[in-house]
Amino acid sequence: SQELEQSPQSLIVQEGKNLTINCTSSKTLYGLYWYKQKYGEGLIFLMMLQKGGEEKSHEKITAKLDEKKQQSSLHITASQPSHAGIYLCGADIAGTYKYIFGTGTRLKVLA
Amino acid sequence: SAVISQKPSRDICQRGTSLTIQCQVDSQVTMMFWYRQQPGQSLTLIATANQGSEATYESGFVIDKFPISRPNLTFSTLTVSNMSPEDSSIYLCSVLGAAHRETQYFGPGTRLLVL
Repeated sequence: SQELEQSPQSLIVQEGKNLTINCTSSKTLYGLYWYKQKYGEGLIFLMMLQKGGEEKSHEKITAKLDEKKQQSSLHITASQPSHAGIYLCGADIAGTYKYIFGTGTRLKVLA
Repeated sequence: SAVISQKPSRDICQRGTSLTIQCQVDSQVTMMFWYRQQPGQSLTLIATANQGSEATYESGFVIDKFPISRPNLTFSTLTVSNMSPEDSSIYLCSVLGAAHRETQYFGPGTRLLVL
């Protein structure tokens, strides 16, 4: 079945450092969604990418979708402790509005 | 985006009992979904809650174990029946946004521990 692979599984960075999280699919995606989850809580929507080559930014977070719409990256510039949490990519795989999710990346930012 | 609330926020239950989780949205939405997140795992879609008709379940999930109701466009319930410790998870409801209909917005989740 279709899966989304995220890497790395976990990440520990020093405050102020940049970091990148990747999300890869074996098939073309209808939409790619990035969420952040604080431990044991609900998901906070970050960004949606739909077009090949699309790039969006919000504050210090930038997300890109490749031209083939099979890989996305989430980049955080000058990380802060408030960026800590679990980052999840979700994807609509068949245009049905049903999502599958990646395995998540646990980010810890050391002050 | 829609404001979504869930009740209870967390619960500890005994094996063999059932728990009903409520999901309330502050506006009418067309599609509502229920997900499960097992400890240390990602989210798995349980079912799509359909207003006025039976829920649509994903592979591996059945109505007898996870009955779902959706009496109107702002409310849904998920029941976890005859619970076992393997049902210990976070259960989340989500809705399709009104402005960005392709985007799902999530409730805060219900953290369930089954002893």
